[in-house]
Amino acid sequence: AQSVAQPEDQVNVAEGNPLTVKCTYSVSGNPYLFWYVQYPNRGLQFLLKYITGDNLVKGSYGFEAEFNKSQTSFHLKKPSALVSDSALYFCAVRDIVGGNQFYFGTGTSLTVIP
Amino acid sequence: GAGVSQSPSNKVTEKGKDVELRCDPISGHTALYWYRQSLGQGLEFLIYFQGNSAPDKSGLPSDRFSAERTGESVSTLTIQRTQQEDSAVYLCASSLEASGGEQYFGPGTRLTVT
Repeated sequence: AQSVAQPEDQVNVAEGNPLTVKCTYSVSGNPYLFWYVQYPNRGLQFLLKYITGDNLVKGSYGFEAEFNKSQTSFHLKKPSALVSDSALYFCAVRDIVGGNQFYFGTGTSLTVIP
Repeated sequence: GAGVSQSPSNKVTEKGKDVELRCDPISGHTALYWYRQSLGQGLEFLIYFQGNSAPDKSGLPSDRFSAERTGESVSTLTIQRTQQEDSAVYLCASSLEASGGEQYFGPGTRLTVT
């Protein structure tokens, strides 16, 4: 079955420190992987995606994510966190084999402490 | 250009009443998705439309839920005989292509069933 796991409900990091938000996945075939961010009282915004090619993908707002096939992971990273990065982050995988459905993780709440 | 819009932004209804939620996708986007997001929960897939293909209704929680889409434009999600457990934020998303395309989300409709 296709699924996404975000093992941390909450991540706290000091401003200026590097941040990592974890995501692991299970999918048939090659994964299409996505990260979205949801700011308070706003809709989800696309951050970045991995379809094929370079394992390190760069996205909006200085975020990047590394696809690791052997560990079935797609962790979101940023070298230096900003207070404005505080939000809810969702990892998603697209099931290309089974019908193009998206499967979302339960989300990780990131708090950047000034 | 204009993003995905949803209406109403908030809806309060009495248990047992029917409600209709509307989604206007980005022009030209062939794929449209409906999700439900409950407080503290991830996104629950409801239904997926792709072009003129038969919709994927596998996520609809009961036969009280239905959705329609007119061509590649507006979609409506209808909930009949609403129950308190239907209270949630209903999100609509559209994407440009069937595979690999990231989703663009609307702001959501917050449904409260009293």
